[in-house]
Amino acid sequence: DQQVKQNSPSLSVQEGRISILNCDYTNSMFDYFLWYKKYPAEGPTFLISISSIKDKNEDGRFTVFLNKSAKHLSLHIVPSQPGDSAVYFCAAGGNEKLTFGTGTRLTIIP
Amino acid sequence: DTEVTQTPKHLVMGMTNKKSLKCEQHMGHRAMYWYKQKAKKPPELMFVYSYEKLSINESVPSRFSPECPNSSLLNLHLHALQPEDSALYLCASSQVSGRIVPEQYFGPGTRLTVT
Repeated sequence: DQQVKQNSPSLSVQEGRISILNCDYTNSMFDYFLWYKKYPAEGPTFLISISSIKDKNEDGRFTVFLNKSAKHLSLHIVPSQPGDSAVYFCAAGGNEKLTFGTGTRLTIIP
Repeated sequence: DTEVTQTPKHLVMGMTNKKSLKCEQHMGHRAMYWYKQKAKKPPELMFVYSYEKLSINESVPSRFSPECPNSSLLNLHLHALQPEDSALYLCASSQVSGRIVPEQYFGPGTRLTVT
């Protein structure tokens, strides 16, 4: 039972354009959401988070949007840079645990 | 220092071996985690330690035995593993904040191969 889903396994975006990564969840008890970035042979690196009481959080080029009624969150990266090429995981938190999505491989085309 | 270190980076072991994975952090975090990640899958939580006490065991087989000797160290003892246990084992740490899970900082992982 996959409680957190990222339906796009891969995404290619031109350098300088906006990258939009999507994530859906099923458990309404989740109250904290995070995005992680992962390079090969490295552990996931925390990017940005959002509490369930907010609908938007921004940090530099990264913005996370949360739509609680739709149980959907998205990560916007603008402008996209070649160094952003990686696998992105969304994660949902509750009861001391994080549940990770299946990941989206983002490729930025120079 | 925002680093979580894990040793070894790679480990190959037979099904009758006993080995240990080590994890260390010096960020003053009092929650530490073990995750298992198979290829093309998300990290799956195995254990959570909070204030050096085991708080969550996600029904992990007893051939995996975690240990938290102090607030900076986390070990995972391995015994009689199966080939399907081959995976990347990730350690993470975070502050303890009650029900809300704060951001976790991950180590680079140990790539385990069971032969």
